[in-house]
This record gives sequence, structure tokens and C-alpha cells, in this order.
Amino acid sequence: GEDVEQSLFLSVREGDSSVINCTYTDSSSTYLYWYKQEPGAGLQLLTYIFSNMDMKQDQRLTVLLNKKDKHLSLRIADTQTGDSAIYFCAERASGNYQLIWGAGTKLIIKP
Amino acid sequence: SQTIHQWPATLVQPVGSPLSLECTVEGTSNPNLYWYRQAAGRGLQLLFYSVGIGQISSEVPQNLSASRPQDRQFILSSKKLLLSDSGFYLCASVNSRDRGHGYTFGSGTRLTVV
Repeated sequence: GEDVEQSLFLSVREGDSSVINCTYTDSSSTYLYWYKQEPGAGLQLLTYIFSNMDMKQDQRLTVLLNKKDKHLSLRIADTQTGDSAIYFCAERASGNYQLIWGAGTKLIIKP
Repeated sequence: SQTIHQWPATLVQPVGSPLSLECTVEGTSNPNLYWYRQAAGRGLQLLFYSVGIGQISSEVPQNLSASRPQDRQFILSSKKLLLSDSGFYLCASVNSRDRGHGYTFGSGTRLTVV
């Protein structure tokens, strides 16, 4: 079945770039998403990319999609303490609105 | 844009007691609605989804149930809570007219069964 995988933790220094990676298995997925969850809060949609794109940039965020390798990444430039959160990757299953979720990557910021 | 209201924010209930969590959606009509559970601040487990009033699909067998009495209201219930029902419960909504069709989430209910 469909699956989305992410590493569980990423530790970066404040001011460096963070790159969070995700792989997925459904080659027919249409949209891929990045969500951010701060402690004790719901999930917030950060950005999404349509499957016919290979890059999307929004201020400090850059999403790269390699559809051939089924690999999605989120780059956060100039990482700040406020970026500490769990980041979830998700893909939209073809034909419906169900999202397939990764387990989340906890981003830890070192001073 | 959509707004999802969930309440209560936190709840402590004894084992064997009933449960009712409510989720209401503003700013959209005829959304798909979802209940997720998140254990220990990590992955999301889909519990129920609904594509319309009275239409509920269950993803996992359990002692929880869901109902959708109105277009923008989604309720999660249990007749008798178990310790394993503890977790962070999230309601989400998606509408076909939303650009990118991403989910909008509520702020969640932290349930502790004691």
C-alpha cells in the first residue's frame, strides 16, 4: 500500500539551513504537503506542491520534488528557534482527498 | 478560509466513562471531515472520515464512534473509555474548492483517561 517515510529527528544550529526529507511510494499522487505542528497545537499547512512541479519557494521555505525518485524535501533557510516543531510530510492519494502521512520529523534547534 | 473549532481543549476522564468531542467548521460548506488520533506527539492515525451528513467511514476497529448530524459538525464519541483511548485528538476538514486541497486542522483535544 501507500507509504510515506521521514526520519524522526533533525538537529541544526540556529542560523543554518534545515533540510527535512521525505519519500513516498504512490507514483500517482497529485499533491504533496508539508505541515508544521508546534507543541500542544494542531497541524498548520506550511506549503504544498503539485506533482507537475519540481520546486516551489515561499520566503524562507523551499520545496523540492523529485518525482522520479519519489522524494520530497523541505528546506528552511536561516533556521530560527521559532522553527522548532514537528514537520509532517503528506501525499494526497489519487482519486480522493485522503492524505497519507509520514510519522513526522522533530526539528531541534541548537543555539 | 476555513476555521475549525474543537472543544474541549483538555479532558481528563475515568476509565469506563462516556466521551463526546465536538468539532465544528466555519467558512466552508460540504467539507470532508476527519478525526485523527496522535499518540505521544508523533504520527497521525486516521480514525473516521465523513463525506457528508450521516456518512461515516471507520478506518480502525475500536470502541469509538463518530457522527455527523449537520454539514459542519462532526462528533467523536465513546460509551466506555479505555486507558488506551488517551491521546491527542484532531479534527480536520478539506473542501474541493480549497486550493491545493490541503487539510485545515483544529487545535486539538488532549484526552487523558485515568
